[in-house]
Amino acid sequence: DVKVTQSSRYLVKRTGEKVFLECVQDMDHENMFWYRQDPGLGLRLIYFSYDVKMKEKGDIPEGYSVSREKKERFSLILESASTNQTSMYLCASRPSDPYNEQFFGPGTRLTVL
Amino acid sequence: QKEVEQDPGPLSVPEGAIVSLNCTYSNSAFQYFMWYRQYSRKGPELLMYTYSSGNKEDGRFTAQVDKSSKYISLFIRDSQPSDSATYLCAMIASGTYKYIFGTGTRLKVLA
Repeated sequence: DVKVTQSSRYLVKRTGEKVFLECVQDMDHENMFWYRQDPGLGLRLIYFSYDVKMKEKGDIPEGYSVSREKKERFSLILESASTNQTSMYLCASRPSDPYNEQFFGPGTRLTVL
Repeated sequence: QKEVEQDPGPLSVPEGAIVSLNCTYSNSAFQYFMWYRQYSRKGPELLMYTYSSGNKEDGRFTAQVDKSSKYISLFIRDSQPSDSATYLCAMIASGTYKYIFGTGTRLKVLA
């Protein structure tokens, strides 16, 4: 059974804190993604990684950075959390063929106070 | 104008009804079309996947793609309360890596 796991389901942080969201997949997929999901805006791509240590900015990378030191793990970092980063964060993975299915994790609901 | 437009709903139907969910898009390069289902407080999961134009059926679900009209549909027959979820369309063009998602339609099937 394929699995994408995220480190936390719910997280509450204060403005200015550094926040780490972790994602792990057990399918040996090359591609990994971080999205945020907001009502009325759908899923927006923050960052994409196509291999270890390789990354590309998505549509809304400002205020975020990522790290992929191992194939199975992709971390999203909020350097200095702000209230407008309150959102649902979804991680996904996919084989290198882009026309394959993306598998999503359960999501992390982050609230920044 | 967004690349993919999807009515957010909510759409409420009685159990047993036929449901039609739709997306329109503007980019004629899209070739691969998907429907994801997302239950409350869960990640999306793939429901249907079609390439180019035509129909695809899987049990109570039928996905339809009309590339000439830039319109895709998901039909659910004999809808059940367990079908209550948000349905997201997604599409990707050849030669690109990025899926483009609709905003999702919330569906409620009433028992």
